[in-house]
Amino acid sequence: DAKTTQPTSMDCAEGRAANLPCNHSTISGNEYVYWYRQIHSQGPQYIIHGLKNNETNEMASLIITEDRKSSTLILPHATLRDTAVYYCIVRGYSGGGADGLTFGKGTHLIIQP
Amino acid sequence: EPEVTQTPSHQVTQMGQEVILRCVPISNHLYFYWYRQILGQKVEFLVSFYNNEISEKSEIFDDQFSVERPDGSNFTLKIRSTKLEDSAMYFCASSEYTGRAFFGQGTRLTVV
Repeated sequence: DAKTTQPTSMDCAEGRAANLPCNHSTISGNEYVYWYRQIHSQGPQYIIHGLKNNETNEMASLIITEDRKSSTLILPHATLRDTAVYYCIVRGYSGGGADGLTFGKGTHLIIQP
Repeated sequence: EPEVTQTPSHQVTQMGQEVILRCVPISNHLYFYWYRQILGQKVEFLVSFYNNEISEKSEIFDDQFSVERPDGSNFTLKIRSTKLEDSAMYFCASSEYTGRAFFGQGTRLTVV
C-alpha cells in the first residue's frame, strides 16, 4: 500500500496558488518524494521530485519539511487545465533496479473559474 | 518533447482470447513498465523490464501475462486468455532511471 496520506479533494480559484499537502511520516532516509498527476483518464504525468531540499521546476515547487515527514506541492498560478488527480509517491532510488510506482488515491484538485 | 506511444487506443476482445498491447517507449530510456487502471480505481503497477528481462512484477502479473521487447523500439504486454476482470486502461511507461517515468496515453481494453 501507498506510504502517503493526502486529502481526497481540494478546490482552488483560478490564478491562485494551489498548495497540495502530503504526509509521509514513515519515509526512510534514502526515499524520495515524487509527485505525479493524472488529468481525466490520461496517463499519469511526472511533475517533480525531491529528497530533502526544496525543488522548483517549470511546473511546480516542492517544499519538504526538515524532518521529511510531510511535503507540499505548490502550483503557483493554477489554471483550469491543472484540474486533475495529484499523487504523492514515496520511493527509494535503487539504482540498478526498476521498482514500480505505488499510486494511492491522490488528491482531486478542482480549479474553479 | 519525446513521448511514449501506445497502440491501439481502444481494443475490444472476447473473453478467452489473447491480446497484445503495444508500446513504443522513449528511445534512450532503459526501464520499461506496464500499469493498469480499472475504471474508478487506482493506477496499479504490473511489471518492470530492464536489460531484456523482468526486473520486478506485482501479484497481479500472473502466468497469463507476459512482456517482450521484440526489437529495439517496441515493448509489448500479452494477456494470454482474457477475463472480464482484465477490462481496464493499460499504461506503458519508460524512464531513464527509476522514478521519473513518462507514461503513454493508454490502451483501453474491454473484454466482453
